[in-house]
Amino acid sequence: EIVLTQSPGTLSLSPGERATLSCRASQSVSSSYLAWYQQKPGQAPRLLIYGASSRATGIPDRFSGSGSGTDFTLTISRLEPEDFAVYYCQQYGSSPPNTFGQGTKLEIK
Amino acid sequence: EVQLVESGGGLVQPGGSLRLSCAASGFTFSSYWMHWVRQAPGKGLVWVSRINSDGSSTSYADSVKGRFTISRDNAKNTLYLQMNSLRAEDTAVYYCARDRVVPGYYYGMDVWGQGTTVTVSS
Repeated sequence: EIVLTQSPGTLSLSPGERATLSCRASQSVSSSYLAWYQQKPGQAPRLLIYGASSRATGIPDRFSGSGSGTDFTLTISRLEPEDFAVYYCQQYGSSPPNTFGQGTKLEIK
Repeated sequence: EVQLVESGGGLVQPGGSLRLSCAASGFTFSSYWMHWVRQAPGKGLVWVSRINSDGSSTSYADSVKGRFTISRDNAKNTLYLQMNSLRAEDTAVYYCARDRVVPGYYYGMDVWGQGTTVTVSS
């Protein structure tokens, strides 16, 4: 079973700053099978990135994804107030078919 | 409008059963694989179960295998999760979500319901 470990657990930044969130897999993951989600309190998750680097429909271009193998990164170039939330990476695999990381909370400094 | 609406959550005693439903609208339900994902209070997302587009193939997380059953009725555009032998640790918000996979590429879970809350307690 592939385990996804996200770091840091909590990231404290100010609006306008750049955020870099990490997702490390316990074994190699195809970049085609890696996604990122944003979740705000009381809301369902929202798909941000699929295929490690493709933005989902309606996602602003300040969000970008990169990485391959076991190391993946979600970058938010300039934080907007609405970007403060919890972010999850997810991999699609065979057994189990889907695994989420434990999440990174992005909070206002 | 593309939409998923869950229902069926509630308070149930340990050992009890509950059936969740997820009504789909605004898209061709029978073309998509569907999932249940849960989130315990204050915790992260945990994948629970998946069913393919015609219902012929299912998968489960080890934590629910043998207790939960996922199914779908494409004529009614509805996804189900039958939950038996419920435990306190099954307490969570349960989300349904759709995704799309083609050979060699995963498009992610792009539509989610609002969630339904299941509380297992005596």
